[in-house]
Amino acid sequence: AQSVTQPDIHITVSEGASLELRCNYSYGATPYLFWYVQSPGQGLQLLLKYFSGDTLVQGIKGFEAEFKRSQSSFNLRKPSVHWSDAAEYFCAVGRNSGYSTLTFGKGTMLLVSP
Amino acid sequence: EPEVTQTPSHQVTQMGQEVILRCVPISNHLYFYWYRQILGQKVEFLVSFYNNEISEKSEIFDDQFSVERPDGSNFTLKIRSTKLEDSAMYFCASSPGLAGYNEQFFGPGTRLTVL
Repeated sequence: AQSVTQPDIHITVSEGASLELRCNYSYGATPYLFWYVQSPGQGLQLLLKYFSGDTLVQGIKGFEAEFKRSQSSFNLRKPSVHWSDAAEYFCAVGRNSGYSTLTFGKGTMLLVSP
Repeated sequence: EPEVTQTPSHQVTQMGQEVILRCVPISNHLYFYWYRQILGQKVEFLVSFYNNEISEKSEIFDDQFSVERPDGSNFTLKIRSTKLEDSAMYFCASSPGLAGYNEQFFGPGTRLTVL
């Protein structure tokens, strides 16, 4: 069965600083990987996804993530954080066969300081 | 931009009562899902639904839970006799296709509080 680990429960970053949120997954084959963001009172919004091909994927709002098979990781990055990026971020893995059930990590809460 | 909507945003109920959580998926989507997130824990898959049938369900989705698409637009999750441990945020999602690479679009969630 697949699983996702987000080792950081919360992270505080200064506005304008760079950001990296960690995600490690466990899956027996090449996974489908996703990052979602949840702002207060909002649903989960897809930031980016990886299925195959280029291991560096670009998403919305200036985010990117890199798939590293050797490390079973899919870390999310942003070069310069804005105050509006404060939210909870979820990494998820989907199966590459059958139904598209997602397995989520526990989430990382991003706080942005002035 | 089309979006998934859920009602109510917050539901408070007494233990043992039945609750129905409602979702309106995106209109041309064919696959529907329910997930839940207990406070401080992971978002967990409950059930997927396609062509008026359950496609897959997790071990959480026991006989107390049921899903239904009563008409062409709504997708509901019913909990027959709520327990304290059912208190959670419940998310509905829909996707246009089956394969794992299809994006699931999530609603804002219904916070269920069981007293």
